[in-house]
Order: sequence, then C-alpha cells, then structure tokens
Amino acid sequence: TQLLEQSPQFLSIQEGENLTVYCNSSSVFSSLQWYRQEPGEGPVLLVTVVTGGEVKKLKRLTFQFGDARKDSSLHITAAQPGDTGLYLCAGEPDSNYQLIWGAGTKLIIKP
Amino acid sequence: DAGITQSPRHKVTETGTPVTLRCHQTENHRYMYWYRQDPGHGLRLIHYSYGVKDTDKGEVSDGYSVSRSKTEDFLLTLESATSSQTSVYFCAIKRIQNSPLHFGNGTRLTVT
Repeated sequence: TQLLEQSPQFLSIQEGENLTVYCNSSSVFSSLQWYRQEPGEGPVLLVTVVTGGEVKKLKRLTFQFGDARKDSSLHITAAQPGDTGLYLCAGEPDSNYQLIWGAGTKLIIKP
Repeated sequence: DAGITQSPRHKVTETGTPVTLRCHQTENHRYMYWYRQDPGHGLRLIHYSYGVKDTDKGEVSDGYSVSRSKTEDFLLTLESATSSQTSVYFCAIKRIQNSPLHFGNGTRLTVT
C-alpha cells in the first residue's frame, strides 16, 4: 500500500513567520498536487508539480517536487492570517490514477 | 468555481436507517468521486465513476453503494447507517484522467 506522510499535522505560528510543510513517501509519483481547504468547504487545488526537482511559486508559497519524485514541500514566506487552513498533498502514482492523500496539515496563523 | 452541488449539507440519522447523499454537477465531467474525510485520515476514496453506469470501489467501500444513471448525478447510499459512518462526505469531479479534482462543499453526516 502506498502511503504519503505529511508533517507536521498541526502548526500554529505568528504572522510574519516562515514555515515549511512536508509530504514524504517511499513510492514514486508521476505528479503531486497541493490543495488548501477552509472550514465548511471542499479542498481547492493550489498547484500540481510533475517534474523531479520542479519548483513552482504562487505569491508567497513555494512548492518543490523532490528529484526522485517521492517527496514534496510547501514553504510559506511571511505567513499571513489569510493562509490559515488545512493543507493537503496528494500524489498520483505511476501505476494507476487514484490519488494517494496525505493526512493534512492544519495551519493557524495568529495576527 | 466548478458547478458541484452536494445535498443535503447536513444530515443527522439513526443507526440502521438508509441514507442517500447526492452530488450534482453542471460541468459535464466524466469522472466523479465520493470521499470521506475524518480527522487524522485525510481523504479516503469510497467509490468512483468513470461514466454513466460505470463505477468502481475505492479503499473504504464497505457499507456504501453508488449509482450514476446520468452524467450529472452521482448518488452515494448507506444501506444501513452505522456510527462509524459519521463523517464529512465530499464529492469531486474531474474532466479527464490527468486533471485536478474539483470538490463540492461536503455533507456532514452524523449517525446516532
């Protein structure tokens, strides 16, 4: 069974601080997606990374796909209260198309 | 936003009763999914559909059945609800295989 371990599970920091969320696996993925979910809503796609070593930036968010396509990270610079939410990673295995989901990181940014 | 509507948004039911959740899309997407979300587990796939009358089981399909008689509707049925099925249920759609998922806003189901 393929697993995607996401860490930390919970993070509470002050506005202006930097943070990194990790998604790690022993399996290779053809792509990895990051979603953000707010209370009472469904997850919304932030980015998809598909190439080993790829780095994508979305304003203050930087996403990186590991060289071996087994892990990914999300780095937020100068976090703001609006970044508060549940961040989920999901990997698409090479062998089939059903996504493998991490358990999520609940992020709280305090003003 | 993708046109996905889940109904009802909230449901409280008793153990042993049947429950049907509905997902309706206006995007004409081929693929539709039912997930449940529980603390510490992330999203777990219950069933999915790759076309009208074409469905398959996900990793947590026991106790659930689905039907898709029209492109736009995907129904999830709990034949006899149990307390372990208390959860938030999300429907998702996608246009083609290598495209991202678009989620509905969920149904919070409580089985007492």
